[in-house]
Amino acid sequence: AQKITQTQPGMFVQEKEAVTLDCTYDTSDPSYGLFWYKQPSSGEMIFLIYQGSYDQQNATEGRYSLNFQKARKSANLVISASQLGDSAMYFCAMREGDYTGTASKLTFGTGTRLQVTL
Amino acid sequence: ETGVTQTPRHLVMGMTNKKSLKCEQHLGHNAMYWYKQSAKKPLELMFVYNFKEQTENNSVPSRFSPECPNSSHLFLHLHTLQPEDSALYLCASSPTAHRGHTDTQYFGPGTRLTVL
Repeated sequence: AQKITQTQPGMFVQEKEAVTLDCTYDTSDPSYGLFWYKQPSSGEMIFLIYQGSYDQQNATEGRYSLNFQKARKSANLVISASQLGDSAMYFCAMREGDYTGTASKLTFGTGTRLQVTL
Repeated sequence: ETGVTQTPRHLVMGMTNKKSLKCEQHLGHNAMYWYKQSAKKPLELMFVYNFKEQTENNSVPSRFSPECPNSSHLFLHLHTLQPEDSALYLCASSPTAHRGHTDTQYFGPGTRLTVL
């Protein structure tokens, strides 16, 4: 089974509107972390937001928020007030387990291509 | 320079060539990673280093040889590659995880490799 599933290969949103990018995950480990990255056409993966499995509140970073529904194992990214510069690939990733003292490993989804239109 | 840098940004090589990719991080992190991103496939973890020691080799063919001389530098030595090795190679670094501290990975801009 896939660890990270992103079911939307492509999405369109109008400038200034909000958009939700879906991500579901599969793990039996009680300790895990969920990450969202943005990859513009230039190739660099840009970290956007993080949610820990024990975090009580949904994470927010500026225009980005993470809709974390633990029971459903979903971690959707919400981008408010979309801008043309938001057009990119968006990847959801998960780190399973507690990597205290060691380097962690991320499993990535296949990504969603977001296109912001005028 | 700040963040994670990678050189070269683009590389074209023949199957018999030997080349190296370089990654440098200026974030004071202890862990470094190599990933491969092929078209229409999820990002694949290749190697993980923690405090200069390799902790993960994700069944990568021996024609890829990593080297981590210190916590700030990571190399990927390439020899006798195949055309299917053409991909974007991304380097990342992170703090070593500890309680209360997020082990977020920060990526470089990548090296786009084409093997002829």
